[in-house]
Amino acid sequence: KAGVTQTPRYLIKTRGQQVTLSCSPISGHRSVSWYQQTPGQGLQFLFEYFSETQRNKGNFPGRFSGRQFSNSRSEMNVSTLELGDSALYLCASSPRTSGGTQYFGPGTRLTVL
Amino acid sequence: QKEVEQDPGPLSVPEGAIVSLNCTYSNSAFQYFMWYRQYSRKGPELLMYTYSSGNKEDGRFTAQVDKSSKYISLFIRDSQPSDSATYLCAMSLSQGGSEKLVFGKGTKLTVNP
Repeated sequence: KAGVTQTPRYLIKTRGQQVTLSCSPISGHRSVSWYQQTPGQGLQFLFEYFSETQRNKGNFPGRFSGRQFSNSRSEMNVSTLELGDSALYLCASSPRTSGGTQYFGPGTRLTVL
Repeated sequence: QKEVEQDPGPLSVPEGAIVSLNCTYSNSAFQYFMWYRQYSRKGPELLMYTYSSGNKEDGRFTAQVDKSSKYISLFIRDSQPSDSATYLCAMSLSQGGSEKLVFGKGTKLTVNP
């Protein structure tokens, strides 16, 4: 099976812009979670989607949003970018919403200038 | 107190050494315990997955969970230069019918030939 894919792999934006990141889960996986990874804070949970519904959300401002499509592909959006949003954004998929292992994609490296 | 504490290292060992990586946690509601390995510029890769106290072995890797002490460990025997990576512990928490992972900040390991 193909693994989790994320596009784009690298992105450079300026403050105030918005960005959309895309994730395609492993075939058959219906749960998609998003994480932000920074050197200072490590990996932090953003949100989880299952069957097009947001099931869980981390402690991030409303500028961070996401959605999931009927084919389980997911997008996350960050509006009004700030310098502190520079990070590696990771998507993980799982076959079910709880008790399942999560498989990560390679991530999207976002740099905000 | 952070939910998950992990010594960030860095840890440098000679090839063939036994490596011990550890995490402590404060939330007794954590149900599943995982170790991920992350190479530079890659997404985390699942190494070990356990849900009960005790040991689980997979090749050169042994994961140990002690729920009474809220302590988990990963042992790597006969360490190889290819084991050089950042090792992240993760614990799952069920919330609102779904699950989120809480990660340690990771320990950077270098195995020297």
